[in-house]
Amino acid sequence: DIVMTQSPDSLAVSLGERATINCKSSQSVLYSSNNMNYLAWYQQKPGQPPKLLIYWASTRESGVPDRFSGSGSGTDFTLTVSSLQAEDVAIYYCQQYLSSPHTFGQGTKLEIK
Amino acid sequence: QITLKESGPTLVKPTQTLTLTCTFSGFSLSTSGLGVGWIRQPPGKALEWVALINWNDDNFYSPSLKSRLTVTKDTSKNQVVLTMTNMDPVDTATYYCAHTPFRYFTYWGQGTLVTVSS
Repeated sequence: DIVMTQSPDSLAVSLGERATINCKSSQSVLYSSNNMNYLAWYQQKPGQPPKLLIYWASTRESGVPDRFSGSGSGTDFTLTVSSLQAEDVAIYYCQQYLSSPHTFGQGTKLEIK
Repeated sequence: QITLKESGPTLVKPTQTLTLTCTFSGFSLSTSGLGVGWIRQPPGKALEWVALINWNDDNFYSPSLKSRLTVTKDTSKNQVVLTMTNMDPVDTATYYCAHTPFRYFTYWGQGTLVTVSS
């Protein structure tokens, strides 16, 4: 199985400031045949199902605010919230979907400082 | 508009078999490329990928659960059924089904909490 490890486990950022969440995979999730990274990011608020934010490591899902961006390749990825808003308080998960099982990271809790 | 909804028992006894149904609308599982996945989340814990069934009946299961899992689809009813045998208290979780156009999950059901207790 590909193990996904996120850091930090929790993060407190001031409103309007940048938040950065990291995700590292135990094996590369870059598929050489199409040069695509099989990596997604989700946001989960309390009592709600997860919501897809980013797929293919950097493609923003329709309707997701552009303050959310994804970057990285191979084994190291980052989700950035450029200017934190109150509604961004949530737990964020990365997921690799290159090889089954399509494992999730342990989650990063993002809070307001 | 794509929607999914999980249904099934909220309480099962240890060693019993769990059967959950995901009923969806807004897409067809006969459409090439589409799939439905199952993900679970123990209370206060992280998401765990469980299984995936594709439009062509390809199934993918979590290796740690594979011996206990079966996922089937009924295209005419727009349903996917998850069966998990020999339930244990550690299987207590919210179980989600979700739509996938290519293994990542775009639309999720609200989830159903299944408690395993005698």
